[in-house]
Amino acid sequence: GENVEQHPSTLSVQEGDSAVIKCTYSDSASNYFPWYKQELGKRPQLIIDIRSNVGEKKDQRIAVTLNKTAKHFSLHITETQPEDSAVYFCAAILHTGGFKTIFGAGTRLFVKA
Amino acid sequence: DVKVTQSSRYLVKRTGEKVFLECVQDMDHENMFWYRQDPGLGLRLIYFSYDVKMKEKGDIPEGYSVSREKKERFSLILESASTNQTSMYLCASSLLSSGTDTQYFGPGTRLTVL
Repeated sequence: GENVEQHPSTLSVQEGDSAVIKCTYSDSASNYFPWYKQELGKRPQLIIDIRSNVGEKKDQRIAVTLNKTAKHFSLHITETQPEDSAVYFCAAILHTGGFKTIFGAGTRLFVKA
Repeated sequence: DVKVTQSSRYLVKRTGEKVFLECVQDMDHENMFWYRQDPGLGLRLIYFSYDVKMKEKGDIPEGYSVSREKKERFSLILESASTNQTSMYLCASSLLSSGTDTQYFGPGTRLTVL
């Protein structure tokens, strides 16, 4: 069945360094890839997304890249700050009449001051 | 601004009790979802609904049922709670016509079954 693998499960970086989280999806018909951030004790919220007709998208310190051939997409955070510490979920959306969202297992990012 | 609310932030129930978790969204979204979130397992879909009175099983529907009598409200029911249903439950909604299924989450209900 459809699945999204996310790595690493835990990532620890020094403040100011970059962080990269990678996801791989199984269904080549997936066409939309959002990323959600969940701070401790709070709800997941969308931070950036990319459609399948685009290879890269950037929003200030965060960027997402998509390689459709390899079925990979990645989240890049530059100049990390302590407030970037959170759990990040990738997802792939499959349009099958309705929409089906498949989430990755999540990455817990720690940014050390 | 989309608002998704859940009836309780914390619940403690006993094994065998019937448990109702309610979710309300105020943006006229067609789609509503119930997930449970457990460490290392991410977000697992229990049930979802594309319209009033419609429901579809997700990946882990066993032990749960749902009700959607009104568009804005989606209820998750644990007919007979068990300790392995201790978890964080997240409700979400999305707009069918958006073409993206961007999900808006509620604050979550942390359920403990003793």
